[in-house]
Amino acid sequence: DAKTTQPPSMDCAEGRAANLPCNHSTISGNEYVYWYRQIHSQGPQYIIHGLKNNETNEMASLIITEDRKSSTLILPHATLRDTAVYYCIVSPTNTGNQFYFGTGTSLTVIP
Amino acid sequence: NAGVTQTPKFRVLKTGQSMTLLCAQDMNHEYMYWYRQDPGMGLRLIHYSVGEGTTAKGEVPDGYNVSRLKKQNFLLGLESAAPSQTSVYFCASRGTGNQRSSSYEQYFGPGTRLTVT
Repeated sequence: DAKTTQPPSMDCAEGRAANLPCNHSTISGNEYVYWYRQIHSQGPQYIIHGLKNNETNEMASLIITEDRKSSTLILPHATLRDTAVYYCIVSPTNTGNQFYFGTGTSLTVIP
Repeated sequence: NAGVTQTPKFRVLKTGQSMTLLCAQDMNHEYMYWYRQDPGMGLRLIHYSVGEGTTAKGEVPDGYNVSRLKKQNFLLGLESAAPSQTSVYFCASRGTGNQRSSSYEQYFGPGTRLTVT
């Protein structure tokens, strides 16, 4: 079973920030939070990951609460190309790094 | 650098037939994975491999076998296909890089759409 809970769908106006929440209340100390997205029927694409500090890269920012029980993925200026299903995954750092995808959040960016 | 490729892209099987799906990666990655995705669902891990000659079961391994004879290839076999195996199959690979970098990301192939009638 997926260890995360995400809203099934969200809308965001083009050019505005998209804030996608994720609950992972049972996260363990050695588990990272990963975010992937899947555009249409393509293979998932890595976005960002983090352990406890906030992270930022060219695609997005990841905000993890101090207790690590939830996180938020922020797309600062959403475009129509960001319309996709976004998956929040927690995974340990041991070998194998198995990912358990839930059903994710379907983000629709509206013109 | 082709990344992760999957063969074939589409296939239709009759119940009871067998087939092998091929995944190839040219990034010298140690870890490889096979997932399936049913309509409206997230991906579920079938089998994975942490290196050449090794395989391990994932979340939904029943009805599938895998082999990793060469580091760059990961094969998924269906010995006797069933309609319940109609799905999109994704292969992924990743390196053994530092967790502080994005080298822990999994790179996914384009998928194989399999229909079992």
